[in-house]
Amino acid sequence: GQSLEQPSEVTAVEGAIVQINCTYQTSGFYGLSWYQQHDGGAPTFLSYNALDGLEETGRFSSFLSRSDSYGYLLLQELQMKDSASYFCAVRDSGYSTLTFGKGTMLLVSP
Amino acid sequence: DVKVTQSSRYLVKRTGEKVFLECVQDMDHENMFWYRQDPGLGLRLIYFSYDVKMKEKGDIPEGYSVSREKKERFSLILESASTNQTSMYLCASSIQPNNEQFFGPGTRLTVL
Repeated sequence: GQSLEQPSEVTAVEGAIVQINCTYQTSGFYGLSWYQQHDGGAPTFLSYNALDGLEETGRFSSFLSRSDSYGYLLLQELQMKDSASYFCAVRDSGYSTLTFGKGTMLLVSP
Repeated sequence: DVKVTQSSRYLVKRTGEKVFLECVQDMDHENMFWYRQDPGLGLRLIYFSYDVKMKEKGDIPEGYSVSREKKERFSLILESASTNQTSMYLCASSIQPNNEQFFGPGTRLTVL
């Protein structure tokens, strides 16, 4: 079966760095995505890793190790607006379908 | 900007009613998806479509059907709504071969 594991909740303070881990077991693997969802809002795309290594986009970076079936999202210089749920998702078919993790709620405090 | 719109933000229906949820995207995307989101369960794929009139089952298709008569529109149908279908329904679209999915604002459906 398909499964993605990520922590249910992470807390941090403004200005800090936080890492959200994701391990996966899926029948197919094309790449790992990360999505952000604010309370009451729609999920929005943050990053996609198809190959091993680190991808950096501003304050956010995403890492993938296919041999370990593991990835993480790194958020630097945390701001209050980063309080949201973060979902990892595996692209598991040629149709671009995604299997999502259950989400990590990030709480940033002053 | 890509825009994905859903017909209703909030919907209340009675058990046994037939329910239509509509989704429209304005960027000529080939792929469209329907998910439901429940607390603690993340997003689960119900159905997807990679072309007009084409549809494929996702992980939880039972109790649902879909229709895609035009490229921009993807409808989710609950033939006979049940209380366990109370949920947030999210539509998304993407363009081949890109991996980014664009989501609509969601429809919160309550079945009484």
